[in-house]
Amino acid sequence: SQKIEQNSEALNIQEGKTATLTCNYTNYSPAYLQWYRQDPGRGPVFLLLIRENEKEKRKERLKVTFDTTLKQSLFHITASQPADSATYLCALVSGYSTLTFGKGTMLLVSP
Amino acid sequence: DVKVTQSSRYLVKRTGEKVFLECVQDMDHENMFWYRQDPGLGLRLIYFSYDVKMKEKGDIPEGYSVSREKKERFSLILESASTNQTSMYLCASSLSTSGGEETQYFGPGTRLLVL
Repeated sequence: SQKIEQNSEALNIQEGKTATLTCNYTNYSPAYLQWYRQDPGRGPVFLLLIRENEKEKRKERLKVTFDTTLKQSLFHITASQPADSATYLCALVSGYSTLTFGKGTMLLVSP
Repeated sequence: DVKVTQSSRYLVKRTGEKVFLECVQDMDHENMFWYRQDPGLGLRLIYFSYDVKMKEKGDIPEGYSVSREKKERFSLILESASTNQTSMYLCASSLSTSGGEETQYFGPGTRLLVL
């Protein structure tokens, strides 16, 4: 089965800096990978999907890369703001319509 | 916008009680999922359904059952609640696509405390 690793330690950065979060996976390379944001006490919210044939995907201040050789995805938030503070989850397809989620990395952006 | 609603935000039950958690989605999605989320363990799939009256076990189905009588509604049942089922329960739905690029839309969650 697919195993996903995200840094369990919180990432603390200053407002205005770029935050970079890592998602590593083992076993087979998925056809696509997704990133979600989760605020405390809330359900995750979908942010971005990147396909295996896409090296990079952007959406406003968000950028995701997908390296199938390294089995790694990087999630960047540029010009970070305190409102970006949340837990970010990566997810890979694990079966028929199902996803396996990483445990997430908490991002804290201080003013 | 897709809306997924869950019947309760907070629920307190006693050990041995039968507990029903309900989830409704308004976007005609084929797939529906129930997860639990615990600190340090992340999201774990309990059951999912890809059609009415269809259900499939996820990674941790023991102690749970589900019901999907209508396309928009997916219920999670704790047959006899136990303290180790105290958790945050999250429902999600997704649209089936031929390419398999299915993003999931989550409800707000139900925080269940079993005493």
